[in-house]
Amino acid sequence: QLQLQESGPGLVKPSETLSLTCSVSGASISSNTYYWGWIRQPPGKGLEWIGMMSSSGSSYYNPSLKSRVTISVDTSKNHFSLKLSSVTAADTAVYYCSRSHGAYLGQGILVTVSS
Amino acid sequence: QAVVTQEPSRTVSPGGTVTLTCGSSTGPVTSGHSPYWFQQKPGQAPKTLIYDTNIKHSWTPARFSGSLLGGQAALTLSGAQPEDEADYYCLLGYNTFWGVFGGGTKLTVL
Repeated sequence: QLQLQESGPGLVKPSETLSLTCSVSGASISSNTYYWGWIRQPPGKGLEWIGMMSSSGSSYYNPSLKSRVTISVDTSKNHFSLKLSSVTAADTAVYYCSRSHGAYLGQGILVTVSS
Repeated sequence: QAVVTQEPSRTVSPGGTVTLTCGSSTGPVTSGHSPYWFQQKPGQAPKTLIYDTNIKHSWTPARFSGSLLGGQAALTLSGAQPEDEADYYCLLGYNTFWGVFGGGTKLTVL
């Protein structure tokens, strides 16, 4: 059974870069069959699709975040990562990693942007 | 960017049937949008119920089903249980890759 687990700092300062990793077990992300992505949810609000990437390097990002987002895949470690630059308080959210648009989801990690 | 619309709230009686819908500002929802449905209970992570219009996970109760109905994606709950009270979100994929979530439907079982 595929399992996804997010990890990373729970607190990031404004203007810095948020960096999260999603460890994948139960499947190899080097298979080009699927995309690997991220979703977020600000406190008390709805879900927002961030983007996704394949192991071959094809990536697709939410246009509203595209200038600040990078998703990368590390097949040697069977994990993938999210970087979101120039963060503000509006980026405070629970971040979920996913297979494709969300067929499988991690349990989520709360990231707070605050000085 | 496309806008995905869901009813803000719905109420269903225990044992009753309810259909939640998911529409697109760009036109009819088709199988090409690969509709997803997620259930989220208070304080919990969302759980994927349905993907690619009507494919269920092993953990998806049989009373939930996905379909296309009248140009929208639909999630039908037949035989509602108290534990089905939750927020339900749909996601549509545009040009296969770009995902857009709906605003969610708060389902009350009462």
